[in-house]
Amino acid sequence: GNSVTQMEGPVTLSEEAFLTINCTYTATGYPSLFWYVQYPGEGLQLLLKATKADDKGSNKGFEATYRKETTSFHLEKGSVQVSDSAVYFCALKGAGNMLTFGGGTRLMVKP
Amino acid sequence: GAGVSQSPSNKVTEKGKDVELRCDPISGHTALYWYRQSLGQGLEFLIYFQGNSAPDKSGLPSDRFSAERTGGSVSTLTIQRTQQEDSAVYLCASSLAGGGRETQYFGPGTRLLVL
Repeated sequence: GNSVTQMEGPVTLSEEAFLTINCTYTATGYPSLFWYVQYPGEGLQLLLKATKADDKGSNKGFEATYRKETTSFHLEKGSVQVSDSAVYFCALKGAGNMLTFGGGTRLMVKP
Repeated sequence: GAGVSQSPSNKVTEKGKDVELRCDPISGHTALYWYRQSLGQGLEFLIYFQGNSAPDKSGLPSDRFSAERTGGSVSTLTIQRTQQEDSAVYLCASSLAGGGRETQYFGPGTRLLVL
């Protein structure tokens, strides 16, 4: 079956630091890959997505590249802000239409 | 436009009681999903509706859980004889269609606490 593994948190960074949150997946076929973000007290929001190999998704300074050879979709941001503090979920969508999520990574950015 | 809405936002119930959770998807979205977010299990898929097709119920954890979608729009998730392990945030999502590339948009969730 499909599965997503992402680094456990919490990840604590200072403002303007570089961020990487690792995500690897196991899936049959060619899934679409997503990063969702959950800010404190709010619902899940789509951050970015990529639907085929070598695609790069980007939004709000965040980027992730769909790497089929390493089955990875790592999330990166060059300079984090306090407002980026949230829980980040990597997810895939295969032939079954439902999303399979990783366990989530809590990011804490200190001023 | 309006996003996915869910009600109630919070529900406290006693063990053994039945509960109903409601989801209003984004207008025009044909696909609707229910997920559960709990401390021990993370985010889990429960059930998926696409148009008039038979729903995909493969994620429902037991026969105490059921869901329906009336008129291709509003959906209700029902949990019968609730147990403490049912305590979780129940999330509803909708997408324009059911394909692999479609983005799912999530509602704010219903936080269920079973005492």
